[in-house]
Amino acid sequence: DVKVTQSSRYLVKRTGEKVFLECVQDMDHENMFWYRQDPGLGLRLIYFSYDVKMKEKGDIPEGYSVSREKKERFSLILESASTNQTSMYLCASSPLGDPANYGYTFGSGTRLTVV
Amino acid sequence: EDQVTQSPEALRLQEGESSSLNCSYTVSGLRGLFWYRQDPGKGPEFLFTLYSAGEEKEKERLKATLTKKESFLHITAPKPEDSATYLCAVLGPNFGNEKLTFGTGTRLTIIP
Repeated sequence: DVKVTQSSRYLVKRTGEKVFLECVQDMDHENMFWYRQDPGLGLRLIYFSYDVKMKEKGDIPEGYSVSREKKERFSLILESASTNQTSMYLCASSPLGDPANYGYTFGSGTRLTVV
Repeated sequence: EDQVTQSPEALRLQEGESSSLNCSYTVSGLRGLFWYRQDPGKGPEFLFTLYSAGEEKEKERLKATLTKKESFLHITAPKPEDSATYLCAVLGPNFGNEKLTFGTGTRLTIIP
């Protein structure tokens, strides 16, 4: 069974902390994505990566950075956590080629609370 | 800019009472329209991809249809286990920009 695994289900961090959210996929997918999900706003793309060491900004990249040193791992970094970054964070992956031919596979999410 | 609007925001049905969820979209060139199911506290689970107007796909009690402006998710004789939030998303025309644009979802509750 293919999987996207997010390292933490729940996290509580303090304002100003540097926060790392980790995502690992075992499907040898080229594309990986980070979304955040908020009530009334739906899922919004933060960053995506289509290859190792490659990254592209999504719709809301401010306050975030990403790292992809290995194909299977995509990390989201909150440089200095703020309360408005309290959210559910979802990682997803898809294979190379037309993603319309595949459903994106999502992880179970990390619910981050910044206090 | 791609836009997706889902309605209603929430829907409560009796077990066995069929209905439809709507997804209206605006995109310059549709490469795919996706339907996902999301249970509370979990990530979205892929259901269907539709590519062109007139296309239909079915899975158990769910059937998805597509026109040039909207998609419907029809639920026939639902059961309590169909309770979830259903998300619609579109993929625009530009290869290399693999961003899905999501709607805010319809929260479906099936009452036994």
